Amino acid sequence: GESVGLHLPTLSVQEGDNSIINCAYSNSASDYFIWYKQESGKGPQFIIDIRSNMDKRQGQRVTVLLNKTVKHLSLQIAATQPGDSAVYFCGERRRGGSNYKLTFGKGTLLTVNP
Amino acid sequence: NAGVTQTPKFQVLKTGQSMTLQCAQDMNHEYMSWYRQDPGMGLRLIHYSVGAGITDQGEVPNGYNVSRSTTEDFPLRLLSAAPSQTSVYFCASSYGTGARANEKLFFGSGTQLSVL
Repeated sequence: GESVGLHLPTLSVQEGDNSIINCAYSNSASDYFIWYKQESGKGPQFIIDIRSNMDKRQGQRVTVLLNKTVKHLSLQIAATQPGDSAVYFCGERRRGGSNYKLTFGKGTLLTVNP
Repeated sequence: NAGVTQTPKFQVLKTGQSMTLQCAQDMNHEYMSWYRQDPGMGLRLIHYSVGAGITDQGEVPNGYNVSRSTTEDFPLRLLSAAPSQTSVYFCASSYGTGARANEKLFFGSGTQLSVL
């Protein structure tokens, strides 16, 4: 079936290093993608999004890359900090009948070691 | 603005009991939705609404009912709770409808529900 998935369930990095979190999607009709960060005991928080007509979008210390050819999405975090430790979810928006639905992958746990 | 407010934060039910999870937003968002989060399963969409009086099913709607009588509120009802409904429930909202619906979802802080 169609789904948003993640290559790695966990990622451990050293403080100051760059982090790359990957996500694969299978629905070529998805037109919008989004990344969320979820800290323990809290609701997901928006990080960055990208539309399907773009390849790259940058935010503050974060970059999202979209490769439509291989249906791959990645989140890059520069100079990773302990406060970046969290679960990161990618989401895709796809059409469901007359409306659009935002569905999410299972998440990647990022651990930043001091 | 308070954003998206969910109540209660924690709830324990016995099998067969009913309850309503409350969700309110004060951002005048047209789109609202409910997700459940289970270990290893990520966020799964239960029901959503693109405006007052309009609701639709998500990925896992069975066992849950919703209604949207006002723009601000989107309660989730469990008519007869089952252990399989033990989960963390998140309500979310966003601007717009149609093709711009559910962009940049704003999530509540969650309700942790245990069904014994």
